[in-house]
Amino acid sequence: EIVLTQSPGTLSLSPGERATLSCRASQSVSSSYLAWYQQKPGQAPRLLIYGASSRATGIPDRFSGSGSGTDFTLTISRLEPEDFAVYYCQQYGSFPLTFGGGTKVEIK
Amino acid sequence: QVQLQESGPGLVKPSQTLSLTCTVSGGSISSGDYYWSWIRQPPGKGLEWIGYIYYSGSTYYNPSLKSRVTISVDTSKNQFSLKLSSVTAADTAVYYCASWPAGDAFDIWGQGTMVTVSS
Repeated sequence: EIVLTQSPGTLSLSPGERATLSCRASQSVSSSYLAWYQQKPGQAPRLLIYGASSRATGIPDRFSGSGSGTDFTLTISRLEPEDFAVYYCQQYGSFPLTFGGGTKVEIK
Repeated sequence: QVQLQESGPGLVKPSQTLSLTCTVSGGSISSGDYYWSWIRQPPGKGLEWIGYIYYSGSTYYNPSLKSRVTISVDTSKNQFSLKLSSVTAADTAVYYCASWPAGDAFDIWGQGTMVTVSS
């Protein structure tokens, strides 16, 4: 099983600042089958990034993903008020599919 | 646009079987475009993938739950279902159904349904 470790656990930032979230895998994620999701309280997760770097439909270009192998990054270039949420990475390259523990982006 | 909606009891007694259904609207479950999945999230915690079913009936379950999980599909009703047996308090969670396009990520999620295991 691929274990995904996200850091930091909590990121305290102000609107307009840049957010950099990390996701490290215990073994290589095949074909960069790595996704990022955003989850707000009481809501289902929303797909932001798939294939490590491709934005899902309707996702603003301030969200970008990068990385390969075992190290992946989600960057939010300038935080908008609606971006404060919990973010999860997920690998879908091998079974069982697994999620990281999440990074909470909170208002400083 | 495909939409998913979970339904089922919100309270299950310990040792009993949790049963949930996901209804697919706006598209056919038999299209072959998706693997239909269940994912859960205990209160205040992260996400755990439970398993998937393809419209043909083929399944794959998370080994951590495999002995207790059954996922089935009813193409005539455009639904797929989850059964989790011998539940304990540790199975208390929000249960989501989601669509998983082959080789892609979970692109569409239901709103989720909270299931509490308690006597």
